[in-house]
Amino acid sequence: KAGVTQTPRYLIKTRGQQVTLSCSPISGHRSVSWYQQTPGQGLQFLFEYFSETQRNKGNFPGRFSGRQFSNSRSEMNVSTLELGDSALYLCASSLSLAGGQETQYFGPGTRLLVL
Amino acid sequence: KNEVEQSPQNLTAQEGEFITINCSYSVGISALHWLQQHPGGGIVSLFMLSSGKKKHGRLIATINIQEKHSSLHITASHPRDSAVYICAVKPNTGTASKLTFGTGTRLQVTL
Repeated sequence: KAGVTQTPRYLIKTRGQQVTLSCSPISGHRSVSWYQQTPGQGLQFLFEYFSETQRNKGNFPGRFSGRQFSNSRSEMNVSTLELGDSALYLCASSLSLAGGQETQYFGPGTRLLVL
Repeated sequence: KNEVEQSPQNLTAQEGEFITINCSYSVGISALHWLQQHPGGGIVSLFMLSSGKKKHGRLIATINIQEKHSSLHITASHPRDSAVYICAVKPNTGTASKLTFGTGTRLQVTL
């Protein structure tokens, strides 16, 4: 069974631009969570989607948004990029339980650099 | 104070040594995760615990719910175990609670 895939793997943007990251979960997994990892803040929860609905949201500004499609694939979007948005963005999928209540399978991440 | 504290922050060991990484948390939880992150960023889920002890190969994870403490042990450590080990907890405040991460323990195992 294929693992979680994320595209693109690397991305360079400039301040003010917007970016869309994509995550394809393991086949059969219906829950997708997104995380941001920075050297200063470590890993932080962004949001979680299940059956096309946002089930939970972290403490991030409204510039960060996401969605999930009927095939469980998920995208996250960051508008009006700031230098501080430079980070590794990780997505993780699990079968169905609310994020953190069952084993999560992580993708390789998208490394975003904002100049 | 962070909800999840890990110790030590950095650890260097020689091949073959027994290693213990600790995680303490301050809230009631429904689950605790141990994750491994290699250079390059990929994260692998090692264990998910809600009570007791789990073992997988040379890795053992234990949790004491009353003391709000978990340990990850690596027996007969090997250079390929070099990675950052991250503890994360799922607070038991309902489905809206968010997975909260420790800052990680950087382990280097030398020959």
